[in-house]
Amino acid sequence: KAGVTQTPRYLIKTRGQQVTLSCSPISGHRSVSWYQQTPGQGLQFLFEYFSETQRNKGNFPGRFSGRQFSNSRSEMNVSTLELGDSALYLCASSQAPGDQPQHFGDGTRLSIL
Amino acid sequence: GQNIDQPTEMTATEGAIVQINCTYQTSGFNGLFWYQQHAGEAPTFLSYNVLDGLEEKGRFSSFLSRSKGYSYLLLKELQMKDSASYLCAVREASGGSYIPTFGRGTSLIVHP
Repeated sequence: KAGVTQTPRYLIKTRGQQVTLSCSPISGHRSVSWYQQTPGQGLQFLFEYFSETQRNKGNFPGRFSGRQFSNSRSEMNVSTLELGDSALYLCASSQAPGDQPQHFGDGTRLSIL
Repeated sequence: GQNIDQPTEMTATEGAIVQINCTYQTSGFNGLFWYQQHAGEAPTFLSYNVLDGLEEKGRFSSFLSRSKGYSYLLLKELQMKDSASYLCAVREASGGSYIPTFGRGTSLIVHP
């Protein structure tokens, strides 16, 4: 069974731009969660999607948004990028909201110049 | 909201035993999880505790005391490949939803 796939693996952007990251969950998993990981703050929850609906949201500004498609694939978007948005963005999938374990993808490393 | 505290770094010797502690404060506790993350890789699930006591899985064990807001991960017969970051995460139930909060991770260095 293929694991969680995130694209792209690496991305370089400049301040003020916007970016879209993609996540394909494990087949049969309908819940997708997004996290931001930085050395200073650790792993922080962004939001969770299930059945194309946002179920939970972490404490991040409105510049961070996401969506989920009918095939459970998910995208997250960050607008008006800031230097502090440089981080590893991880996606995790599970069969249902709140299920454990979550299966993580390898992440997208976003660097803002 | 939640506070999760775990040591930043620990070192241990190959073949030894190490205990990584995690303390938390939460209003709607609904489970505690441990993940392992090697540098440059995705976190992988190690254990899950929702009731008090010890859960053993091979060389790894995890303990929970809900009244004390305390958990530990015990790694026995340490191997070099156990060098990694260990993340403690607490799930909080709130209004029918489950919100996960991760600690900042404990970087474990295993030396020969």
